[in-house]
Amino acid sequence: SQQGEEDPQALSIQEGENATMNCSYKTSINNLQWYRQNSGRGLVHLILIRSNEREKHSGRLRVTLDTSKKSSSLLITASRAADTASYFCATDAGAYKYIFGTGTRLKVLA
Amino acid sequence: SAVISQKPSRDICQRGTSLTIQCQVDSQVTMMFWYRQQPGQSLTLIATANQGSEATYESGFVIDKFPISRPNLTFSTLTVSNMSPEDSSIYLCSVRVSNQPQHFGDGTRLSIL
Repeated sequence: SQQGEEDPQALSIQEGENATMNCSYKTSINNLQWYRQNSGRGLVHLILIRSNEREKHSGRLRVTLDTSKKSSSLLITASRAADTASYFCATDAGAYKYIFGTGTRLKVLA
Repeated sequence: SAVISQKPSRDICQRGTSLTIQCQVDSQVTMMFWYRQQPGQSLTLIATANQGSEATYESGFVIDKFPISRPNLTFSTLTVSNMSPEDSSIYLCSVRVSNQPQHFGDGTRLSIL
């Protein structure tokens, strides 16, 4: 399967702490995206990083990409209870399709 | 970014019946996608719905089970046919506009009794 793997599968932290999630993938990519899903609803796009970029920031989010290791990480700083959700990476390997990772379930405790 | 409306938001169906899910976009898009998300799992692409041509199905998914229509550039339907409890999932419509990120509808949560 081309599906990416994310770790950890589940993460529980206290409000104010940082949360780091990792994504590994198998094929060469054009870009990689991170999405958030709240409680079984639709996915919300968070950030896109292209294959020629190494790091990208958006508010409290920081994404890194290491194409040599075929991996990416998502860091959420100063987490809030509202950040509780599942987070997925998705890789664009061409053919207009995205392959989604297995996801990390984040729980932020107030 | 595109706004996607998906109907119904949830349904409970009897085994052996079929359900059609609708996806409406507020702008014209070339590519629409249908995903399935089984309980506690990630998203799996069912098919790509192209306007004016037949949908392209991924391995493990067939047209008889998941017929798709794409009558115009703003609308698509996915039918889940002859449902069984294994079809209980969230079904998500998604669109992609040129080099923009994929956008998703809120999904249809389907339970089969």
